[in-house]
Amino acid sequence: QKEVEQDPGPLSVPEGAIVSLNCTYSNSAFQYFMWYRQYSRKGPELLMYTYSSGNKEDGRFTAQVDKSSKYISLFIRDSQPSDSATYLCAMAPSGGSYDKVIFGPGTSLSVIP
Amino acid sequence: NAGVTQTPKFQVLKTGQSMTLQCAQDMNHEYMSWYRQDPGMGLRLIHYSVGAGITDQGEVPNGYNVSRSTTEDFPLRLLSAAPSQTSVYFCASSLGRSLYPSYEQYFGPGTRLTVT
Repeated sequence: QKEVEQDPGPLSVPEGAIVSLNCTYSNSAFQYFMWYRQYSRKGPELLMYTYSSGNKEDGRFTAQVDKSSKYISLFIRDSQPSDSATYLCAMAPSGGSYDKVIFGPGTSLSVIP
Repeated sequence: NAGVTQTPKFQVLKTGQSMTLQCAQDMNHEYMSWYRQDPGMGLRLIHYSVGAGITDQGEVPNGYNVSRSTTEDFPLRLLSAAPSQTSVYFCASSLGRSLYPSYEQYFGPGTRLTVT
């Protein structure tokens, strides 16, 4: 079993839809959870960064962490064609060990105008 | 700020050739790392550095070498290229251990490497 699993998609939605992107993980030591957006042929850029369980909202984006289920989600409201990208989840344990950050393989999202 | 810069953007090598991928950051970040990205595999850590003069191996270090003589630069050397090293390579930096927590990483634009 991989440490972090993510449905690769592709996911195709109409403009204005609510998008739900998800990751599951197996390591209960993970405490920090991140979502990165990666446009085609570009480097990943950090979208959301959360610690432990709960929700965090930033504009149209909401990150949700359920540690009891080892499940994290990224919701995008009122999706736009500019949201078309690959979304990577990433997670890390506490302790400041950057080499312990694990990335999911990414979900490809297309928002159709 | 230019952020994290990488050169070259594209490279084709023949098996057995060596080359250096350049990475520089102008944010005075302590932590720098190299990842490779392959389809379906996610980003995998090759080598990382927590400061000038300090480097360590990540998940997939074989066939790669790094050094960190300055805070700004973190080059990745391919010693003898193999087709299995065909990939997209990303350099990243983070503020580092001095501020906790800070797992936020800033990525460069990537180098697309093909080994024939």
